[in-house]
Amino acid sequence: EVQLVESGGGLVQPGGSLRLSCTASGFTFSSHWMSWIRQAPGKGLEWVANINQDENKKYYVESVKGRFTVSRDNAQNSLYLQMNSLRAEDTAVYYCARASDLRLWGQGTLVTVSS
Amino acid sequence: DIQMTQSPSTLSASVGDRVTITCRASQSFNTWLAWYQQKPGKAPKLLIYKASSLESGVPSRFSGSGSGTEFTLTISSLQPDDFATYYCQQYNSYTTYTFGQGTKLEIK
Repeated sequence: EVQLVESGGGLVQPGGSLRLSCTASGFTFSSHWMSWIRQAPGKGLEWVANINQDENKKYYVESVKGRFTVSRDNAQNSLYLQMNSLRAEDTAVYYCARASDLRLWGQGTLVTVSS
Repeated sequence: DIQMTQSPSTLSASVGDRVTITCRASQSFNTWLAWYQQKPGKAPKLLIYKASSLESGVPSRFSGSGSGTEFTLTISSLQPDDFATYYCQQYNSYTTYTFGQGTKLEIK
């Protein structure tokens, strides 16, 4: 089955760190650009980051630059998002998605930043 | 960066109605625009890509059009399953993707 499954969400204090994972199956993961996209509770969708197949091109929304790092391990069919210096406004459901065609999304993982 | 302004933010309509949602871009780009449907608690579902290409399995009552700075999603005859929130997204470059603010389609 072609799918993306996120994990690693949870409750973290402001200033803390969290690492999200996204495991791909059913397609050639290494051939695709990948995205992280988030959605704050009751709000719209916000693109967070893109990464290319070889990990040598990474792009971020301005609000997370310097705090978040996207990476991937093609041998493990996995995408990651390292989130540091977390703020309350980072609270959201985080989705991974196949950036190159937009038609495949994971189910999302909830990150809550609160004391 | 390209900004996307989606309207209306809320739309009330009845089963059988024809509805149109609009996305306007802050600058012109080619047709790298997608439309999604999202239901509560679910991931977005791709409906339209490249502004007017219907994703496989999506009913033909959904259509997309536009180019440059103005794009539209039309649902020709609303069905009960269509009441959801809709988003546009520009993907003109991998350097930045941008979503519209969303349109909540409600039952009148």
